[in-house]
Amino acid sequence: GIQVEQSPPDLILQEGANSTLRCNFSDSVNNLQWFHQNPWGQLINLFYIPSGTKQNGRLSATTVATERYSLLYISSSQTTDSGVYFCAVGADSNYQLIWGAGTKLIIKP
Amino acid sequence: DVKVTQSSRYLVKRTGEKVFLECVQDMDHENMFWYRQDPGLGLRLIYFSYDVKMKEKGDIPEGYSVSREKKERFSLILESASTNQTSMYLCASKSGSYEQYFGPGTRLTVT
Repeated sequence: GIQVEQSPPDLILQEGANSTLRCNFSDSVNNLQWFHQNPWGQLINLFYIPSGTKQNGRLSATTVATERYSLLYISSSQTTDSGVYFCAVGADSNYQLIWGAGTKLIIKP
Repeated sequence: DVKVTQSSRYLVKRTGEKVFLECVQDMDHENMFWYRQDPGLGLRLIYFSYDVKMKEKGDIPEGYSVSREKKERFSLILESASTNQTSMYLCASKSGSYEQYFGPGTRLTVT
């Protein structure tokens, strides 16, 4: 099955810094999502991005499907950005997503 | 606005009790999912449903069953709760190959 690897596993930054999170996947996909899990456990949709580039405020994401990776950029980090960021991919229209292990981000004030 | 709701945020049950976790979505999605999340193990799929009354086992179905009698509602049932089922349970829904949306989660403790 498809393997998903996220890097780095942990990231500690000062408020205001920029960061890049990476997601590598081992096969072709037709679904790729980035999620942020907040300290209360809620998984919040950031991007649905099987290919191309999207931006939403301070966050943007790029997926290069032919090279099997996706990047999540966070600019001008705030303490509320802390949490775990997950990448999940799918290769079947109806069924499950395959999850990466996540990147734990801590933003210090 | 997209909405997936779960019946409880926190739940405490005793070993051997029958436990029902309810999930409701208002997006007319065909597909619904139940995951559990444990520290160091990530999200693991328990069961999913691609239509009313249809279900498929995920990666860890043992000790669980599900019910989908209406399109908007997907229930997870622990027939006889055990302490190793203490976990965070997350429900999700999606349509086709598009975005999957999650509910707020239920933290279940079995004592």
